[in-house]
Amino acid sequence: KQEVTQIPAALSVPEGENLVLNCSFTDSAIYNLQWFRQDPGKGLTSLLLIQSSQREQTSGRLNASLDKSSGRSTLYIAASQPGDSATYLCAPSKAAGNKLTFGGGTRVLVKP
Amino acid sequence: NAGVTQTPKFRILKIGQSMTLQCTQDMNHNYMYWYRQDPGMGLKLIYYSVGAGITDKGEVPNGYNVSRSTTEDFPLRLELAAPSQTSVYFCATGAGGKGYTFGSGTRLTVV
Repeated sequence: KQEVTQIPAALSVPEGENLVLNCSFTDSAIYNLQWFRQDPGKGLTSLLLIQSSQREQTSGRLNASLDKSSGRSTLYIAASQPGDSATYLCAPSKAAGNKLTFGGGTRVLVKP
Repeated sequence: NAGVTQTPKFRILKIGQSMTLQCTQDMNHNYMYWYRQDPGMGLKLIYYSVGAGITDKGEVPNGYNVSRSTTEDFPLRLELAAPSQTSVYFCATGAGGKGYTFGSGTRLTVV
């Protein structure tokens, strides 16, 4: 059974600092991994999807890396802004269209 | 393009009542999922479907039922609501290796 751990559980940084969010998973036989953002009381917004054959994926200030063999993914957010305050969730999938397994998330607070 | 639509957004149920959470997608995705999220926790899979007429249990199916008669709709039925079913429910769709899209959620309180 896939288990996903996200460290740290919470993070508070001053505006402008770079963020590093870690995700580890126990079963390295994944098809892809998706990073989501969740604002309080809201649904999940997809940030990045990284396929198992990729080492990284970038979108604007966001960069996700994947080391499938060691069961790790890292989300980097450059030059953080107060608007980046949210909970970030990672979720690997074992096959195309297969169910996601979620970590507990990292709650981020960016202070002005 | 609406994506994934969930109704209602909020609901309060009394213990023992029943209700159906609606989920409709216009993305023509075969895969659909129901997750629940308890306060401060990650998401847990309740039921999922790989296509019309096919459903299967996830991690926490007890107390719930689903049906999938069309590609677009995947309703979740709660029978005999219990306080332990107080949660936020999310519906999601997936299409092959293109990632997943989530609805905005239904916040359910059982009193």
